[in-house]
Amino acid sequence: QSVLTQPPSMSGVPGQRVIIPCSGSGSNIGADYDVHWYQQLPGTAPKLLIYGNNNRPSGVPDRFSGSKSGTSASLAITGLQAADEAVYYCQSYDSSLSGSKVFGTGTKVTVL
Amino acid sequence: QVQLQESGPGLVKTSGTLSLTCAVSGGSLSSGDWWTWVRQPPGKGLEWIGDIYQSGSTHYNPSLSSRVTISVDKSKNQFSLRLSFVTAADTAVYFCVRDRGPTMTTRAFDLWGQGTMVTVSS
Repeated sequence: QSVLTQPPSMSGVPGQRVIIPCSGSGSNIGADYDVHWYQQLPGTAPKLLIYGNNNRPSGVPDRFSGSKSGTSASLAITGLQAADEAVYYCQSYDSSLSGSKVFGTGTKVTVL
Repeated sequence: QVQLQESGPGLVKTSGTLSLTCAVSGGSLSSGDWWTWVRQPPGKGLEWIGDIYQSGSTHYNPSLSSRVTISVDKSKNQFSLRLSFVTAADTAVYFCVRDRGPTMTTRAFDLWGQGTMVTVSS
């Protein structure tokens, strides 16, 4: 049902760089609406990781970065750490169907 | 610092009404932010339910709009969710969230409550 598509899972070894894609369309990311990213550790509420496509809230390490191009966005994690094992969600606004905030399908990142 | 705390029944009967409240502490609900409800069914992803401003202005997810009411009580510094005619598909963890930013298309969910599990069963 989600209009933003992410791969269900990705993995990497400590120190590796992982890039999580978020695919949208012309009524959301492609309409130049902002993309935000959230990290959800097991059993906890999501936490804002990136806002406004590529901005980090205070306290978020610079190992996390965001980018957007066309109808897609991506979250990059460099220097992967065990503590980064979590589910990551992209989020944006969609102008179809009277307008709505929409989340991506979520990507589970496993640190091997 | 601002904190959000959800409260309400953990079990709701099928076809009944789910009612939750979010208490805002350490800050004011009249801060200029929007206040939001997001839910997450067990083992699944996040779904935006709707939001409200201090004035009472609201936006709802079109897929839920016929059943959802979000209201605000500035005197108690809290906002509430009512979801009617619930079914098992409404079983989820419900989060109250602060939505901060200049416009609806740029705002981000920057502060989350811990979430409360609501089960719908007959």
